[in-house]
Amino acid sequence: DIQMTQSPSSLSASVGDRVIVTCRASQSISTYLNWYQQKPGKAPKLLMFGTSSLESGIPSRFSGSGSGTDFTLIISSLQPEDFATYYCQQSWSSPYTFGQGTKLEIK
Amino acid sequence: QVQLQQSGPQLVKPSQTLSLTCAISGDSVSSNSAAWNWIRQSPSRGLEWLGRTYYRSKWHYDYVVSVKGRIIIDPDISKNQFSLQLNSVTPEDTAVYYCARVDSGHDWGRFEDWGQGTLVTVSS
Repeated sequence: DIQMTQSPSSLSASVGDRVIVTCRASQSISTYLNWYQQKPGKAPKLLMFGTSSLESGIPSRFSGSGSGTDFTLIISSLQPEDFATYYCQQSWSSPYTFGQGTKLEIK
Repeated sequence: QVQLQQSGPQLVKPSQTLSLTCAISGDSVSSNSAAWNWIRQSPSRGLEWLGRTYYRSKWHYDYVVSVKGRIIIDPDISKNQFSLQLNSVTPEDTAVYYCARVDSGHDWGRFEDWGQGTLVTVSS
């Protein structure tokens, strides 16, 4: 199985900050990397797919990059509604696996 | 707009069977372009994809190795829903369980629509 490792596991930031979350795959997954946002008590929500394509309705302050084994999620200017937990997930091969999550908290 | 509505008991005794149902609106369980998945989330295991079913001239089933032999994902065409059965549960199976839809025309592993989640506790 492909292991997905995120860093950091938690992050404190302020509204307006630029935030970077990284995700590493244990083997190459091309650009088959998705990001999800999860708020407490809710299901994960697809944020970005194929490394850098935004899901419909997701604001452009979110962006993604990478290929192979190393990927990043960038939030250019944090908004209050962005404080949540973010998960990367590989869709290169079954079983589909997720990172352990990055919890973004208000500083 | 696809909506997934989960139902099922939230407390299961050890060694018994966990059963959950996911009712689909806005799509068909026998669609030739969708796949129907179960995913669970626990503090110890994180988010874990459990398996899927999909119809492409016949029904197909894929399960993660860690629960293979204990899991059945079953479509119900008459009710437009699919179910999860997990047998011989232990406290390790305590988790929030989600159903999720994939549009296989996009990507077989892109979970685009999710149910609301069901916390299932395994305890006597």
